[in-house]
Amino acid sequence: DADVTQTPRNRITKTGKRIMLECSQTKGHDRMYWYRQDPGLGLRLIYYSFDVKDINKGEISDGYSVSRQAQAKFSLSLESAIPNQTALYFCATSDLKGGFGGELFFGEGSRLTVL
Amino acid sequence: AQSVAQPEDQVNVAEGNPLTVKCTYSVSGNPYLFWYVQYPNRGLQFLLKYITGDNLVKGSYGFEAEFNKSQTSFHLKKPSALVSDSALYFCAVRDWGGGNKLTFGTGTQLKVEL
Repeated sequence: DADVTQTPRNRITKTGKRIMLECSQTKGHDRMYWYRQDPGLGLRLIYYSFDVKDINKGEISDGYSVSRQAQAKFSLSLESAIPNQTALYFCATSDLKGGFGGELFFGEGSRLTVL
Repeated sequence: AQSVAQPEDQVNVAEGNPLTVKCTYSVSGNPYLFWYVQYPNRGLQFLLKYITGDNLVKGSYGFEAEFNKSQTSFHLKKPSALVSDSALYFCAVRDWGGGNKLTFGTGTQLKVEL
C-alpha cells in the first residue's frame, strides 16, 4: 500500500461545484503539503501544515481551503470550482526529524478537471 | 525569495550516452537543493539532495549532481543514460522565507532514445 494516498485519483466536475481532495499518510510525518502542478509551471504550493493546529497559506491559496483532521489526514477543498483550477494536485509529507534537509514524499496525484 | 530555473523544457539523449539536466538557483541563505523525478501518472520521487559537504552528490538510480557555488548551479548528471530514465525531472530549493517548504523549478522532460 502507498504511504501517501490521495482520493480521488481523477475527478471531473462543473464550474461552481464544491470539491474535496483527500490525503492520508501512514508515514507518521508531522508535516503535510498540497501542491498544484500545471504544465510549464512546475509545482506551486497551495497550503501546508506542520501539525494539526498549524495551517499556513502557500503561494497560491486563493480559491482553496484545507483541513487537517488528524496527523495523518489533510484535505484540500475548492468551495466553488472554476476552470482554471483544472490541474494535477499532489499531497506530500515530510518528517520533522529531517529538519530543513528532509525530503518530501508525494502521493500519486489527483487529476481534477473543471468544465 | 528563493527560486530555481531549469532552462531546458526537454533534453534528448541516446541510450548509453551521458546526460545532463541543468538547474540554476537563487537563494538568500544556505542553498539546500533537491532533485525529484516524476514518471508518467506517478507522484514525484526524491533522487538526491545537497545540504553541505562534498560538491558531488550521489543519489538513486545512478544519478549524481554537482553543486557549483560560483555558478549557482546544481546540474543533474548520469554517465550512461537508459531508456527507463525518460521522465520529468524537477529541481527544487529550500525556501527560507518561512516554514520548511520547497520551491520547484518548471521541470525538464528527459527523453532517452535507442
